[in-house]
Amino acid sequence: GIQVEQSPPDLILQEGANSTLRCNFSDSVNNLQWFHQNPWGQLINLFYIPSGTKQNGRLSATTVATERYSLLYISSSQTTDSGVYFCAVTRLAGGTSYGKLTFGQGTILTVHP
Amino acid sequence: SAVISQKPSRDICQRGTSLTIQCQVDSQVTMMFWYRQQPGQSLTLIATANQGSEATYESGFVIDKFPISRPNLTFSTLTVSNMSPEDSSIYLCSVAGTALSGANVLTFGAGSRLTVL
Repeated sequence: GIQVEQSPPDLILQEGANSTLRCNFSDSVNNLQWFHQNPWGQLINLFYIPSGTKQNGRLSATTVATERYSLLYISSSQTTDSGVYFCAVTRLAGGTSYGKLTFGQGTILTVHP
Repeated sequence: SAVISQKPSRDICQRGTSLTIQCQVDSQVTMMFWYRQQPGQSLTLIATANQGSEATYESGFVIDKFPISRPNLTFSTLTVSNMSPEDSSIYLCSVAGTALSGANVLTFGAGSRLTVL
């Protein structure tokens, strides 16, 4: 199956700092989503971004599909940004359903005040 | 995006018992899925819940252990049967194909956190 690797595994920031999270995947994809799992376990969809660039407030994401990676940028981080960030993809080949996501292991982000 | 309600939100269960988790969506959706997140781990797909037919299970998951129902386009259940401590996990329902989120975007419920003693 497709492999999804996220880096760094852990990240500690002071409030106000910027950060970049990376997601590498091993095959062509037809679905790529970034999620934030808050400390209560709720999984929040941040971006649907199989290619291109999107921005939403302090967050932005870029996927370079031809080079099989995606980046999530967090600017001016806040304590509420703490949690686990997951990248998840669906492999394009073989007609895999776009809903059958393969998740990376996540980046644990801690933002200190 | 769709509003997904899962019940129970958490439960403590005894070894050998079974528990059914319900997932209710506020709008009709094309596809529903069940995922598992073991403690400290990432999410793994258990199965696709098919409306009106048997669920499609991923490798490592079987119907006898995780029976799934989906009687209509807004509701599904997952049963965790004959539980052992290794089944302690968060079980999450997810949907795709809503009018608001689009066909390819998955939205997740808040999850059901099960602890098996």
